[in-house]
Amino acid sequence: AQTVTQSQPEMSVQEAETVTLSCTYDTSESDYYLFWYKQPPSRQMILVIRQEAYKQQNATENRFSVNFQKAAKSFSLKISDSQLGDAAMYFCAYRSHTNAGGTSYGKLTFGQGTILTVHP
Amino acid sequence: NAGVTQTPKFQVLKTGQSMTLQCAQDMNHNSMYWYRQDPGMGLRLIYYSASEGTTDKGEVPNGYNVSRLNKREFSLRLESAAPSQTSVYFCASIRDPGSYGYTFGSGTRLTVV
Repeated sequence: AQTVTQSQPEMSVQEAETVTLSCTYDTSESDYYLFWYKQPPSRQMILVIRQEAYKQQNATENRFSVNFQKAAKSFSLKISDSQLGDAAMYFCAYRSHTNAGGTSYGKLTFGQGTILTVHP
Repeated sequence: NAGVTQTPKFQVLKTGQSMTLQCAQDMNHNSMYWYRQDPGMGLRLIYYSASEGTTDKGEVPNGYNVSRLNKREFSLRLESAAPSQTSVYFCASIRDPGSYGYTFGSGTRLTVV
């Protein structure tokens, strides 16, 4: 079974600065997806960024980028120019890639979460 | 608005009571999931339904049952609530197991006293 570990229960950053959230995972699979989700106080789960394991290029979405190290099984999220609206719980998640006949059934495995505080 | 609707949003139960959490999606998604969120543990999969007519256990199924009533609706039932089931429950859906555009409901905060 796959496991996802977020070793930073809490992080803080000053507005306009950069912060990196860590995530490691354990799997024996070679093809999979990794995600970062944001959960603000409203509880809504918002997709921040997605990475396919077969892609060597790190995914980016505006101020959000990842450092995907497949061999090290590491998937960190970098938030640049942090804004007050970035304050939230952030979850790293893993999903097997489903090929024809695959059995992952789209199940997500989540890390424990990191609470990000942004100071003005 | 298209999405995943969960009812109720909040609920307090006494130990031993039963209740059903409702989830409905209007995006014609085939696969649906129930997760629970607990502090320090992230979201853990309770049950899932890869397609209409099928259901299967996830990581923490004990104390729960599910019903995939039709393609739109996937309910979670607690037959005899226990304080350990105090949690926030999320329903999610995707078009099919091979896609990755998950849509989550807004969650149900359940307290068992």
